[in-house]
Amino acid sequence: GAVVSQHPSRVICKSGTSVKIECRSLDFQATTMFWYRQFPKQSLMLMATSNEGSKATYEQGVEKDKFLINHASLTLSTLTVTSAHPEDSSFYICSARSGYSTDTQYFGPGTRLTVL
Amino acid sequence: AQSVTQPDIHITVSEGASLELRCNYSYGATPYLFWYVQSPGQGLQLLLKYFSGDTLVQGIKGFEAEFKRSQSSFNLRKPSVHWSDAAEYFCAVGANDMRFGAGTRLTVKP
Repeated sequence: GAVVSQHPSRVICKSGTSVKIECRSLDFQATTMFWYRQFPKQSLMLMATSNEGSKATYEQGVEKDKFLINHASLTLSTLTVTSAHPEDSSFYICSARSGYSTDTQYFGPGTRLTVL
Repeated sequence: AQSVTQPDIHITVSEGASLELRCNYSYGATPYLFWYVQSPGQGLQLLLKYFSGDTLVQGIKGFEAEFKRSQSSFNLRKPSVHWSDAAEYFCAVGANDMRFGAGTRLTVKP
């Protein structure tokens, strides 16, 4: 149980284009989903927290207009990197937490974004 | 504010040897503590967690961790390391606002 998937696992795009990353909870309803960014050989940095049906809460320093987060259902959250630039290249990881187990986050496998 | 420190960036142990990865935390209340493992290019897998109760927590893959409030520590241990344990290990604190340590990379020598 508690499986979280991400799609795509890898994406390469040109500078200036937008990329959408999906995060799905496969066997539970995720009332809260989190998006993290991880630079090579570094730790995870929380970007934003999203609750189903409401606007995401962004961490300080994260541009909400650049990293659009939508959590329209209890099993799906999307992160759209708008007008991507090479500095947005990173490993993006989502996690999900159910309404019943509010203490543990289950992580997806991550999405490697490369912006050329 | 809550924070986590993993003092060891990289640890190398021989296969079959014991392992201890250190984690120190700063948290205002009773902490929610986690250990995750990440293989290269992969997401994070939960090894174990502590919220309350018995301070020695058993996890998956033969790992355990001990919560010591007096030392603000939550060190991860394994009595006998396997080559497949080579990975990056992250300690984390918090639930709503999870903060991760910098990670410890474990290398296992044959």
